[in-house]
Amino acid sequence: DQQVKQNSPSLSVQEGRISILNCDYTNSMFDYFLWYKKYPAEGPTFLISISSIKDKNEDGRFTVFLNKSAKHLSLHIVPSQPGDSAVYFCAVILGPMNRDDKIIFGKGTRLHILP
Amino acid sequence: NAGVMQNPRHLVRRRGQEARLRCSPMKGHSHVYWYRQLPEEGLKFMVYLQKENIIDESGMPKERFSAEFPKEGPSILRIQQVVRGDSAAYFCASSPNRGRTYNEQFFGPGTRLTVL
Repeated sequence: DQQVKQNSPSLSVQEGRISILNCDYTNSMFDYFLWYKKYPAEGPTFLISISSIKDKNEDGRFTVFLNKSAKHLSLHIVPSQPGDSAVYFCAVILGPMNRDDKIIFGKGTRLHILP
Repeated sequence: NAGVMQNPRHLVRRRGQEARLRCSPMKGHSHVYWYRQLPEEGLKFMVYLQKENIIDESGMPKERFSAEFPKEGPSILRIQQVVRGDSAAYFCASSPNRGRTYNEQFFGPGTRLTVL
């Protein structure tokens, strides 16, 4: 049973517009949320994270929003650029009180930025 | 500072053979994680190791799979008697000493295993 769900396998967005990627999770005990970006034939690279004590974190063009009551988070990219075309993985970890930091990944959303 | 290194990048094995995947963590990192990505799936946690210790192997299949991270040398993920269902991309990640806050995991480029 999937603990992290990304219901959109793919998303196409015009260059310059806003890209919104969504993610739902099932366990209210998750403590830390991450977004990873992955290009073909490469490993995932960390993009942005948010702790459960916050509802928003911003880093340049990337903003992550967390709605704990809805168990939902989203990644906003604005403005979208051609280099943003990649697979984006939503991920969670249980947090430092757990004995390890194993990451639980969603299945990913493939983002296409259209010229 | 070199990133996480994995080799080989591509590995082809016939059913019944053994596969050995190697991971050299980033310099100064003592924590290694292995993940597997099946086609059209997200990455799934397999095992977490520190030097000479397996900390969490809850994601490892019960048979044929083993992992080690010796005092010297890379971490090794070993798959014995491979089957077609083992075909996947295997990613290694490393992080520095674990503190009270989450430490980012840095991923290697992966090893793509194909079982014929």
